[in-house]
Amino acid sequence: QKEVEQDPGPLSVPEGAIVSLNCTYSNSAFQYFMWYRQYSRKGPELLMYTYSSGNKEDGRFTAQVDKSSKYISLFIRDSQPSDSATYLCAMGGYNTDKLIFGTGTRLQVFP
Amino acid sequence: GAVVSQHPSWVICKSGTSVKIECRSLDFQATTMFWYRQFPKQSLMLMATSNEGSKATYEQGVEKDKFLINHASLTLSTLTVTSAHPEDSSFYICSARRSGAGNSNQPQHFGDGTRLSIL
Repeated sequence: QKEVEQDPGPLSVPEGAIVSLNCTYSNSAFQYFMWYRQYSRKGPELLMYTYSSGNKEDGRFTAQVDKSSKYISLFIRDSQPSDSATYLCAMGGYNTDKLIFGTGTRLQVFP
Repeated sequence: GAVVSQHPSWVICKSGTSVKIECRSLDFQATTMFWYRQFPKQSLMLMATSNEGSKATYEQGVEKDKFLINHASLTLSTLTVTSAHPEDSSFYICSARRSGAGNSNQPQHFGDGTRLSIL
């Protein structure tokens, strides 16, 4: 079993839809969680960073963490074609330098 | 902000050439930087962790004599691919983590990557 599981997609939605992206993990030592967006031929861009269970909102993006279920989500409201990209979840613990990444979910928002 | 600049963005060179890639944190200091490799439609693969003023820590299976890492200042790390061959062609991405108290839980900020093509 991988430490982090993420559905690779692709996920195709119409403009304006609410998108839900998810990752599950198995290592209870993970304490902080990130979502990155990666456009083709570019480096990942940090979207959300959180280290506690619950919700964190930033504009159209909401990150949700449920440590008891080892499950994290990213919601995108009013999705736009410019949101079309690969979304990577990442997580780490206080006793390690490394981040563990999901495989990424490819999202396509069509007009 | 937390801006990381990576240069060059694209390199094409002949087999046997050595190629140096620079990673700079522009608006923050980074004690720790990371080097990743990414194959098409795959996630990031960590190659090494670079700490300022000390030797890099390489992941299992990564040849340290092939991929030389130098982190001589708090804002610059370099990766040199020595005697590059076609199988080294890939997308190389660096990241930097802000220095400071409790920095182990700071997020990593990524450069825009370097596309390396070896002919």
